[in-house]
Amino acid sequence: DTGVSQDPRHKITKRGQNVTFRCDPISEHNRLYWYRQTLGQGPEFLTYFQNEAQLEKSRLLSDRFSAERPKGSFSTLEIQRTEQGDSAMYLCASSLGQLGDTQYFGPGTRLTVL
Amino acid sequence: AQRVTQPEKLLSVFKGAPVELKCNYSYSGSPELFWYVQYSRQRLQLLLRHISRESIKGFTADLNKGETSFHLKKPFAQEEDSAMYYCALKVGGGKLIFGQGTELSVKP
Repeated sequence: DTGVSQDPRHKITKRGQNVTFRCDPISEHNRLYWYRQTLGQGPEFLTYFQNEAQLEKSRLLSDRFSAERPKGSFSTLEIQRTEQGDSAMYLCASSLGQLGDTQYFGPGTRLTVL
Repeated sequence: AQRVTQPEKLLSVFKGAPVELKCNYSYSGSPELFWYVQYSRQRLQLLLRHISRESIKGFTADLNKGETSFHLKKPFAQEEDSAMYYCALKVGGGKLIFGQGTELSVKP
């Protein structure tokens, strides 16, 4: 499968713990996006990278959230001191970063904070 | 404000009936709109985009700038069309703004 992959697919953690998710985009895709989706809602933008540069962060991304894409390939999203309100599906998408291109989504990581 | 509205959470039709999933947007720039579909236990996938003006799986969508709409249509629904459908607007930086989604249920 040469599509976008995410790991883990499911994560259950206790409130206050730190969690880290990984996203591997389609190779040759320069842009990588993170979204969050809660039950009954569409995905909401969190942040995106052009190669290794993080170009925009949503107001949804509190100080407890940090994302990296150190070599312009895979990306990690870390949540520190998790709260129950962080429970959601975290989606990653990648694109070529060209005018008129398409974003391709990964399967998501479902986070449950107890 | 940049916003996408899908007024129907659930749309239920019988097989063979026409389908229209509504999408309205609010955007001050030149809109680029998409429909994504999510079948049960599968990832979000692109169904169609307005700039390509193509028909995928019998679905079409026309951008109406006057009404700020991008409704998704299919003349004859099939059971395999049952899924969640999301309308999305591409804004600055290429990020997508999604509607809340419409669940389409096609009954036999």
